[in-house]
Amino acid sequence: NAGVTQTPKFQVLKTGQSMTLQCAQDMNHNSMYWYRQDPGMGLRLIYYSASEGTTDKGEVPNGYNVSRLNKREFSLRLESAAPSQTSVYFCASTLTGREQYFGPGTRLTVT
Amino acid sequence: QKEVEQDPGPLSVPEGAIVSLNCTYSNSAFQYFMWYRQYSRKGPELLMYTYSSGNKEDGRFTAQVDKSSKYISLFIRDSQPSDSATYLCAMMNLQGGSEKLVFGKGTKLTVNP
Repeated sequence: NAGVTQTPKFQVLKTGQSMTLQCAQDMNHNSMYWYRQDPGMGLRLIYYSASEGTTDKGEVPNGYNVSRLNKREFSLRLESAAPSQTSVYFCASTLTGREQYFGPGTRLTVT
Repeated sequence: QKEVEQDPGPLSVPEGAIVSLNCTYSNSAFQYFMWYRQYSRKGPELLMYTYSSGNKEDGRFTAQVDKSSKYISLFIRDSQPSDSATYLCAMMNLQGGSEKLVFGKGTKLTVNP
């Protein structure tokens, strides 16, 4: 089992460019999450999906969109990147809600 | 006031020391309390979780929850250099079907050989 995988691992964007971060899990988990992690701010929830076809906003959803393509995949899209979106992005999944499994992260820099 | 407060440290201890990491919280509805460990440039991994008040032990790690004080702790006995990481507390209220975790900011721990 690969667990939770994320692509790409690193990305540099110019202000205004768009991109999609991909996440997939092979653990048959129902719920999936997108977080961002910034120095001094901890992990903050961007969006959450309890099941295929459903999504819910987290603490910091502005500037992002998500798609729960199927049970395995949950993507995060930045339509017009801004320097404030420079961060490390983590995807996570869970079966029970209590034990979240995290991917390795995507390091995004917006110049 | 943030829902979950955690001293970011950094905390530096000699090998073999007992480490105490703590978080306070304001939401009395939290029912599950987790500790995650995050090595540098890696994703967080779950160490252990506790339901409601009480203690839970797993090897050198002990988690304590005091709901009356809204205070949780993680103790590491006989700390090792391999324990050097950032430790994040997290909490959850499952009422209403919500499966969202609220994280502390993390405490960076260094264990010196």
